[in-house]
Amino acid sequence: DAEITQSPRHKITETGRQVTLACHQTWNHNNMFWYRQDLGHGLRLIHYSYGVHDTNKGEVSDGYSVSRSNTEDLPLTLESAASSQTSVYFCASSDGQGSTDTQYFGPGTRLTVL
Amino acid sequence: GDSVTQMEGPVTLSEEAFLTINCTYTATGYPSLFWYVQYPGEGLQLLLKATKADDKGSNKGFEATYRKETTSFHLEKGSVQVSDSAVYFCALNRNTGNQFYFGTGTSLTVIP
Repeated sequence: DAEITQSPRHKITETGRQVTLACHQTWNHNNMFWYRQDLGHGLRLIHYSYGVHDTNKGEVSDGYSVSRSNTEDLPLTLESAASSQTSVYFCASSDGQGSTDTQYFGPGTRLTVL
Repeated sequence: GDSVTQMEGPVTLSEEAFLTINCTYTATGYPSLFWYVQYPGEGLQLLLKATKADDKGSNKGFEATYRKETTSFHLEKGSVQVSDSAVYFCALNRNTGNQFYFGTGTSLTVIP
């Protein structure tokens, strides 16, 4: 069955370190998204991609970057981790770009920055 | 800009009680509306959706009707079970670019 996976599921790091969170989908979807989930804020969009070599900034992109070298993967990099980036991170994917299309979510990565 | 406002939680209900979680939205154009559910330790799963005014989405006994006149998409279930304990998110999808806007989530606990 097609799926979307994230790794690691849990990560503890120190302030100032570079961290990369992996996202891999086997749906063959063109669109991929990264969100962070924080209490009281719901899910907020960090970056998204509509295809290979395409990347776009979302609502809360400062301090994060992504690159899309193939259809299946969209890694999220925290250039210099900060305590404010402690959060749960979700990757999602979808096929089309219309308003009726559903996004499918991975299981999440819980990141703690000390 | 586009946004979703959800009923504050947490909500605690007894098994077999009636559930309503309110959701209202602000959007330009004609968005699609979604309810996602998040079980403990898991990612979000699509529960139901509606793509145009007066559509009713339904799944697993849950239902919600897209009301354009009141800009609402309230989630209802006639008889909740312990297994329905989860966090529920209302979301809208803009016309273009498949960009979602999520509410803050409503935590539901159902007690036996």
